[in-house]
Amino acid sequence: QSALTQPASVSGSPGQSITISCTGTSSDVGNYNYVSWYQQHPGKAPKLMIYDVINRPSGVSNRFSGSKSGNTASLTISGLQAEDEADYYCSSYTSSNTIFGGGTKLTVL
Amino acid sequence: QVTLRESGPALVKPTHTLTLTCTFSGFSLSTTGMCVSWIRQPPGKALEWLALIDWDDDKYYSTSLKTRLTISMDTSKNQVVLIMTDMNPVDTATYYCARTDSSSWYFDYWGQGTLVTVSS
Repeated sequence: QSALTQPASVSGSPGQSITISCTGTSSDVGNYNYVSWYQQHPGKAPKLMIYDVINRPSGVSNRFSGSKSGNTASLTISGLQAEDEADYYCSSYTSSNTIFGGGTKLTVL
Repeated sequence: QVTLRESGPALVKPTHTLTLTCTFSGFSLSTTGMCVSWIRQPPGKALEWLALIDWDDDKYYSTSLKTRLTISMDTSKNQVVLIMTDMNPVDTATYYCARTDSSSWYFDYWGQGTLVTVSS
């Protein structure tokens, strides 16, 4: 399977909202409500931010939200904060496999 | 409290075999619904899922790497082992183990990762 497609980079100012897209196919993102999102700071392990398209794990800020339309899932971060600057990866289940996106670097200006 | 920790060699020679161990606590792979995956990340690159083992000892592998991978578990030791054969410099990466949801395969707890360099 090919990797999911994410923009290489996005940026926003503190307090603004940004959205990161994650485009797959009808075999993965479009076929399952099993998209998850991960935040990774430099030198650190990824952290689960969203699972099953829209769900937030306990302890994750409600500034993070997920959605999906067709073959594209999205992560929205509202009220941007400096600590949100990181790499973000989407992932989708697909027929006894999991594929990741190429990652998006979020810069908080 | 769920924790996972990867261990293994930092340096592997080309064509050799890599053996990594994930030691975890806070959950049991004997419990229905529990799974552990291996995921890797080459320096500066994206994450790549490698393999998953579940509580029933079912095993799943990345399509592109399945001929080189073997995953196994020792429930008495709370460990999951990944073996990767015929290592190549392109396999240089940080290797993570992660607890995995059995339904939608999201990764809710991760180890700190271990960097494996393939070089002669």
